[in-house]
Amino acid sequence: EAGVVQSPRYKIIEKKQPVAFWCNPISGHNTLYWYLQNLGQGPELLIRYENEEAVDDSQLPKDRFSAERLKGVDSTLKIQPAELGDSAVYLCASSHLAGGEPGELFFGEGSRLTVL
Amino acid sequence: AQSVAQPEDQVNVAEGNPLTVKCTYSVSGNPYLFWYVQYPNRGLQFLLKYITGDNLVKGSYGFEAEFNKSQTSFHLKKPSALVSDSALYFCAVRETNGWGKLQFGAGTQVVVTP
Repeated sequence: EAGVVQSPRYKIIEKKQPVAFWCNPISGHNTLYWYLQNLGQGPELLIRYENEEAVDDSQLPKDRFSAERLKGVDSTLKIQPAELGDSAVYLCASSHLAGGEPGELFFGEGSRLTVL
Repeated sequence: AQSVAQPEDQVNVAEGNPLTVKCTYSVSGNPYLFWYVQYPNRGLQFLLKYITGDNLVKGSYGFEAEFNKSQTSFHLKKPSALVSDSALYFCAVRETNGWGKLQFGAGTQVVVTP
C-alpha cells in the first residue's frame, strides 16, 4: 500500500514569493490533515478535511495561507506571500475513519520550506 | 482545552537498558492517547494508542505504554533499547467527546548509545 505522498520535499524561496505544496493521501482515506512543524516542536494542525470539506481551519492564517481539496482526494496548501517565519516543515496526514473515531494518522515525509 | 507535556527534551540510554519516555496530559473528559516516532527527515510514524480497556498498551517495535488516569500520564516504555530506537518521540492526546483535534507534545529526543 502506498503511503502519503508529498511534494516537493524541499523548497527554498525568497520572502514575498508564493509557494505551493501538494499531498496525495492513502487511497480510501477520507480525512486529510495539514500540519505545521517548527524545529524542535510538535506538529500543529493547520486544516482538516473530511472529503472535500474543510471542517477545521481555525488555525490556518487565512490572510496568506489557503488550501483546497477539490475532488476529495489530493490537496494543495499555498502560501502567498511567504514570510521568513513560515520556514518550517509542512506535514500532510490522512486517516480512514470519520472524525469521531480515534484512528491513527498516517503522515507523509513532509515538505521543508526555507524562506530567505 | 487539552494539552500534552513531555518534560524531557532528551533521554539518553545505553543499548540493552530499559527506555522510558514520559508524557502527561490534560483534557476535560476522557482521553484518547497516542505515541508517534519521527526519524530524521521523515514523517511521523504511529507506534500505539490507548482508547479504552487495558491500561497497558502494546505497540510496534516492542514498545508499550501505560495509561494512568490518576496521574494523567501515558509513559512510553521499552524493556531493552536498541541503537535504532534513536529518534524523536511525540505523545498526543485527543478528547473523546466529539471530534477534538489531536494535540501533540513538543517531543522527546531519544539517544541510544552502543
